[in-house]
Amino acid sequence: RKEVEQDPGPFNVPEGATVAFNCTYSNSASQSFFWYRQDCRKEPKLLMSVYSSGNEDGRFTAQLNRASQYISLLIRDSKLSDSATYLCVVPLSGGYNKLIFGAGTRLAVHP
Amino acid sequence: EPEVTQTPSHQVTQMGQEVILRCVPISNHLYFYWYRQILGQKVEFLVSFYNNEISEKSEIFDDQFSVERPDGSNFTLKIRSTKLEDSAMYFCASRSQGSQPQHFGDGTRLSIL
Repeated sequence: RKEVEQDPGPFNVPEGATVAFNCTYSNSASQSFFWYRQDCRKEPKLLMSVYSSGNEDGRFTAQLNRASQYISLLIRDSKLSDSATYLCVVPLSGGYNKLIFGAGTRLAVHP
Repeated sequence: EPEVTQTPSHQVTQMGQEVILRCVPISNHLYFYWYRQILGQKVEFLVSFYNNEISEKSEIFDDQFSVERPDGSNFTLKIRSTKLEDSAMYFCASRSQGSQPQHFGDGTRLSIL
């Protein structure tokens, strides 16, 4: 299994849709997880941190299933401005040291 | 909101030349990192730095690469003799402590000719 694996997409959805992204990771010792978003040729920006079973922030919900080594990100009521690449990121070895990035899932929200 | 700043935003250099990429991490952060992203590929870890020394480095970070924190605020990445394959976006990141996430600068685009 790859260290961090994501469906590359693209996901093309209309405004207002609900969309979910999945991510699997191989290191069972990892304790925390992050979703970053990256706009084209820009830096990764932190979207959500996931430390326990999940986290919710407005339209965004992240869920963690440690037994299956699986993290998801749900976006409700999609906006045009949500169009970006969503990166699943796992710190290695639980020491919060180096980050292992997934290749990202591309989302395109259209009117 | 405090942020990580990087200079220059774009660096064009001839192959074989030395480059220095500069970063100013967030002021109360303790851990510093460099990552790179080749166009169309995923972000890759290069090196982490804590307490004035390298704490971990990847296979990419060979003898051509070095990092320094010369004055307590800047954090630099030097590539001694650049190769064509060093062309990429280079991101600096920093974090405070514990489980806090890393915050990224807006990157330096390095183009090797």
